[in-house]
Amino acid sequence: DADVTQTPRNRITKTGKRIMLECSQTKGHDRMYWYRQDPGLGLQLIYYSFDVKDINKGEISDGYSVSRQAQAKFSLSLESAIPNQTALYFCATSDRLAPTDEQFFGPGTRLTVL
Amino acid sequence: GQNIDQPTEMTATEGAIVQINCTYQTSGFNGLFWYQQHAGEAPTFLSYNVLDGLEEKGRFSSFLSRSKGYSYLLLKELQMKDSASYLCAVRTPGGSYIPTFGRGTSLIVHP
Repeated sequence: DADVTQTPRNRITKTGKRIMLECSQTKGHDRMYWYRQDPGLGLQLIYYSFDVKDINKGEISDGYSVSRQAQAKFSLSLESAIPNQTALYFCATSDRLAPTDEQFFGPGTRLTVL
Repeated sequence: GQNIDQPTEMTATEGAIVQINCTYQTSGFNGLFWYQQHAGEAPTFLSYNVLDGLEEKGRFSSFLSRSKGYSYLLLKELQMKDSASYLCAVRTPGGSYIPTFGRGTSLIVHP
């Protein structure tokens, strides 16, 4: 079954450490996204990519970077983690050719920065 | 900027009908989505409206009025498994056609 996967699912790290969250998809979608979700704040867009050579900042990109290694892979890095980056992180994909271009979300990565 | 408002929390009884409202003030409009998210899980797509009117899909319906900047999600014959957060998201041309999400409405269904 075509899917969106994220690794790791849970991660506890310390302030100042470099962290990479990975996302892979077998849906064949061209568009990929990274969101963070904090309690009561909804989903906030960090970065998005419409194809392998296209990377764009979202509304809260400071402190984050991304890499689109292939159409199927989109990684999110925290160069020097800080406690207020503790959140639930979701990767999502969509197909620009689909009638609604709705997003399909991965299962999420729960990140705790101590 | 984009402003999307939903009630924070609602409660309802199993078997009843509940309406979750979403109002938006955005620069342009290119569609409105509803997603369902169970606690600790990924959001899943429920419905999409781009024209005014009602879209029905089984027990769930979604309505849109573009002139009023208003949408609602109607859930009929509520089941316990419908307890979840419901996210309203609006897509605009100015936002590279990427949906902006509201904060979500937490629905609690009790027996």
